[in-house]
Amino acid sequence: DVKVTQSSRYLVKRTGEKVFLECVQDMDHENMFWYRQDPGLGLRLIYFSYDVKMKEKGDIPEGYSVSREKKERFSLILESASTNQTSMYLCASSLGQGASGNTIYFGEGSWLTVV
Amino acid sequence: SQQGEEDPQALSIQEGENATMNCSYKTSINNLQWYRQNSGRGLVHLILIRSNEREKHSGRLRVTLDTSKKSSSLLITASRAADTASYFCATDVAGGYNKLIFGAGTRLAVHP
Repeated sequence: DVKVTQSSRYLVKRTGEKVFLECVQDMDHENMFWYRQDPGLGLRLIYFSYDVKMKEKGDIPEGYSVSREKKERFSLILESASTNQTSMYLCASSLGQGASGNTIYFGEGSWLTVV
Repeated sequence: SQQGEEDPQALSIQEGENATMNCSYKTSINNLQWYRQNSGRGLVHLILIRSNEREKHSGRLRVTLDTSKKSSSLLITASRAADTASYFCATDVAGGYNKLIFGAGTRLAVHP
């Protein structure tokens, strides 16, 4: 079974802190994604990556950056956390560089609260 | 911007009844996928329907796609309490990188 592991399930951070959310997948997937999920808004794509060191902005990249130094790992970085970044963050991965129609596998989510 | 919008936002039914959820989208798609999310957990893929398909079945799930109306529906037959979850449609719009755009979801409650 594909496993997407998010390192932290629950985090509480202070405004202005730098926050790292880590995600690891074990199926050699080329594509990796970071979404945030807020009530009534569904999932919104922050960034995605289709290869090591490659990244593309999603719909809401402001206030976030990402890092993909190894194929299996995709990190989401909040340079200076703000209260409006309180949310659930979901990492996902899928097979197939340049392909569509593949199943996307999600991690269990990271609940971030910024106080 | 949200591509998919589910309807209804919430649905409450009794065990054994069928549940129908609808999804509308705005732009052309490569395929449309349905996902399920149990409370506080990650999403799990249910079924994918390609733009050249009109209907697909998987167990108790039936998905239809009408590209002329830019809409899809998910039917769960003979529902069970364990089907209680949120259901999301996601459209694969372009780019070839599995970049999915999700709707806000339908919360389904199945009562014993």
